[in-house]
Amino acid sequence: DPKIIQKPKYLVAVTGSEKILICEQYLGHNAMYWYRQSAKKPLEFMFSYSYQKLMDNQTASSRFQPQSSKKNHLDLQITALKPDDSATYFCASSRTRLGETLYFGSGTRLTVL
Amino acid sequence: GDSVTQTEGPVTVSESESLIINCTYSATSIAYPNLFWYVRYPGEGLQLLLKVITAGQKGSSRGFEATYNKETTSFHLQKASVQESDSAVYYCALGTGANTGKLTFGHGTILRVHP
Repeated sequence: DPKIIQKPKYLVAVTGSEKILICEQYLGHNAMYWYRQSAKKPLEFMFSYSYQKLMDNQTASSRFQPQSSKKNHLDLQITALKPDDSATYFCASSRTRLGETLYFGSGTRLTVL
Repeated sequence: GDSVTQTEGPVTVSESESLIINCTYSATSIAYPNLFWYVRYPGEGLQLLLKVITAGQKGSSRGFEATYNKETTSFHLQKASVQESDSAVYYCALGTGANTGKLTFGHGTILRVHP
């Protein structure tokens, strides 16, 4: 069974709309992350959370807002969507922020028309 | 900033052939980064294949191996005899050891193994 669940797997949105990407992990980890892979680009780090607190934000735009309502949840809200936001978004976790062995979900592929 | 360059895919090989996927890195924030290979099988998330944190050492897993070469700043992935089940996307990555969980990835290399 997958230990990191991302929902939905595929998402199509129109420009200007808002979407929330869901991530839940059942590994008992205390650190969670979001990464993004756009077409022809490598996986890029976006955010890191530790014990539900934002630790690092490498995303320039405030349109991307992570939300952690529970220790094992880290959702990603994206507002005012643009076609350039089209990418596969990966949620990941690690036991603590002190480790770099990350466990990844299978991703949400977002297409913005 | 830090960067990782790896073999551009797709790479297509026949079962039982040998494989090498090249990876070179540039780490500006740290002299000796931690190096990783992750693999993504169809429909799944990325999973750690192997990790080496000490320059000069070799990591191995599932028949794959990679040696951390600080002279050539490389971390090539090799396997002597691939199987069809090895078909996946392989990602080389580096970590700065700054305990942030932030990894710098390469683009990923699609590997297709034909029976």
